[in-house]
Amino acid sequence: GQNIDQPTEMTATEGAIVQINCTYQTSGFNGLFWYQQHAGEAPTFLSYNVLDGLEEKGRFSSFLSRSKGYSYLLLKELQMKDSASYLCAVRDHNTDKLIFGTGTRLQVFP
Amino acid sequence: DADVTQTPRNRITKTGKRIMLECSQTKGHDRMYWYRQDPGLGLRLIYYSFDVKDINKGEISDGYSVSRQAQAKFSLSLESAIPNQTALYFCATSGRSPLAGPTDTQYFGPGTRLTVL
Repeated sequence: GQNIDQPTEMTATEGAIVQINCTYQTSGFNGLFWYQQHAGEAPTFLSYNVLDGLEEKGRFSSFLSRSKGYSYLLLKELQMKDSASYLCAVRDHNTDKLIFGTGTRLQVFP
Repeated sequence: DADVTQTPRNRITKTGKRIMLECSQTKGHDRMYWYRQDPGLGLRLIYYSFDVKDINKGEISDGYSVSRQAQAKFSLSLESAIPNQTALYFCATSGRSPLAGPTDTQYFGPGTRLTVL
């Protein structure tokens, strides 16, 4: 079966660093995606990992460990506009479909 | 101009009515998807199409049908709407061409908020 777990909600302070974790179980893994979604808006692509290690893109970084079925999204120098939901999604190797987690709602306070 | 468009953006309808949601894309992608999003349940796949002649059911296809009229157009129909189909519906596209970004990333339309009374 397939299962993706991520925390439901997190809070952080402007200027701080926050790490959003995602664990997954899948029968065939072919990449992990992170999306950002502001309330009522479309998800927008943030990052993609298919090999173990850290991918850095500006203030956002994403890490993957395939052996542990684990990823995290790291947000640095938090800004108020980073308040949003962050969706972890795994692509299944056999079907090429994306399986989404339920998302982590991040609130950034001044 | 947006690469992935959805119409309508909002729709209120009554139980039993037939509803069509439309999606168009100018990204040149071959793959298109329909998802629904409900609070606490995340994005769930309704139908997907890997090319014009290929239509596949997702995890929650009951009560829905789709039509891939062209590479750029993918429509979702609710034949007889019911209240538990009230949700936010997203179309997405992806492709495997070199221009499509990192390996088949899905790009989402702005969404259609559907309310069935």
